[in-house]
Amino acid sequence: DAKTTQPNSMESNEEEPVHLPCNHSTISGTDYIHWYRQLPSQGPEYVIHGLTSNVNNRMASLAIAEDRKSSTLILHRATLRDAAVYYCILRRMGDKIIFGKGTRLHILP
Amino acid sequence: DSGVTQTPKHLITATGQRVTLRCSPRSGDLSVYWYQQSLDQGLQFLIQYYNGEERAKGNILERFSAQQFPDLHSELNLSSLELGDSALYFCASSVVIAPENGELFFGEGSRLTVL
Repeated sequence: DAKTTQPNSMESNEEEPVHLPCNHSTISGTDYIHWYRQLPSQGPEYVIHGLTSNVNNRMASLAIAEDRKSSTLILHRATLRDAAVYYCILRRMGDKIIFGKGTRLHILP
Repeated sequence: DSGVTQTPKHLITATGQRVTLRCSPRSGDLSVYWYQQSLDQGLQFLIQYYNGEERAKGNILERFSAQQFPDLHSELNLSSLELGDSALYFCASSVVIAPENGELFFGEGSRLTVL
């Protein structure tokens, strides 16, 4: 199973950008980088995914390093509703989808 | 609303008992995944089914079993329950299993309490 490393927790102020890092130094060429988040008392929800190029959607942006050994999830303007656990996952065809401990993001009003 | 339905939402039972958790995937989704989330373990992958067939197995105990039926709903059976089985059990579904577009949609979970 491909491994990722994330900080246990992070804090950010409301209405400021948040950069959530993820290291995946053993990533292979066919691994997709996926991000999910889990709001309190809810199931995880998909945020974004990418392979090599940076990606944007209505929720966030994903910046992928040129060597693909790390990536950063960017929330452009954090709100209190963004307080959640954020999971960075590597997905490859036929492999189990394993969630790590993730990063608990605290948003300060 | 993810479109994935899990029942029951809450379940309290005693040690040694057996329970069945049910999951209805989103309409059209062929793949179902089961995860266990306890306070100290995070989200643990249990098992995955695709169109009725088992595709991947994680750290699922022998006391646990699952299946996916022809109508694509899935059931997770937990038997000889122990206190440590108390957890949130999540079901997720996706239309395909390809990593490039196989976004997982999670249900709200079934909270199992074993007394």
